Amino acid sequence: DAGITQSPRHKVTETGTPVTLRCHQTENHRYMYWYRQDPGHGLRLIHYSYGVKDTDKGEVSDGYSVSRSKTEDFLLTLESATSSQTSVYFCAISERLAGEGEQFFGPGTRLTVL
Amino acid sequence: AQSVAQPEDQVNVAEGNPLTVKCTYSVSGNPYLFWYVQYPNRGLQFLLKYITGDNLVKGSYGFEAEFNKSQTSFHLKKPSALVSDSALYFCAVRDMNNNAGNMLTFGGGTRLMVKP
Repeated sequence: DAGITQSPRHKVTETGTPVTLRCHQTENHRYMYWYRQDPGHGLRLIHYSYGVKDTDKGEVSDGYSVSRSKTEDFLLTLESATSSQTSVYFCAISERLAGEGEQFFGPGTRLTVL
Repeated sequence: AQSVAQPEDQVNVAEGNPLTVKCTYSVSGNPYLFWYVQYPNRGLQFLLKYITGDNLVKGSYGFEAEFNKSQTSFHLKKPSALVSDSALYFCAVRDMNNNAGNMLTFGGGTRLMVKP
């Protein structure tokens, strides 16, 4: 999976608790992305980053925040998890902007919010 | 707004037969188009892309896709399917003229089942 790791790989949590997912890359790519995958919806972009401390919202950003303090790490935080955030979360990286070059995906994190 | 549709939730094909996975898109300008494949419990893997140029694009694992501007389609094809091609396939699009964001829009996915 192209030098991308995600942690944890599986997590079960309760409604209202904070959750942080981590994406770590060893490719030194500039762009990093967080997607969620839900049946019938494909992948939907939550947030992305175009450099250290530079982030922007995606299609489904409500309820999520991100931070990127180092090139290699991109964190996704659910401040107060809800059952609607039960999903599989994928991190992706790319050398160029999405749509100008291919993205490389991590193995995913399966999050269950009870 | 950009959008992409994969009209088939599942495609079944016998090993050795040709396969087609359909994708249609909608953009206001010209499209960047991608196909990705997802094997069980894995992230997506890039297969091929169309940016400009030849309408027939060749990619990994013997897959190809044909860009048809008049039909706004980008169907994925392979002349002879393998059982190991069984996976979930995603089409994705970005409008070249979209200045509102740098996002790919993914289709809902098509599950390809290749039977021996």
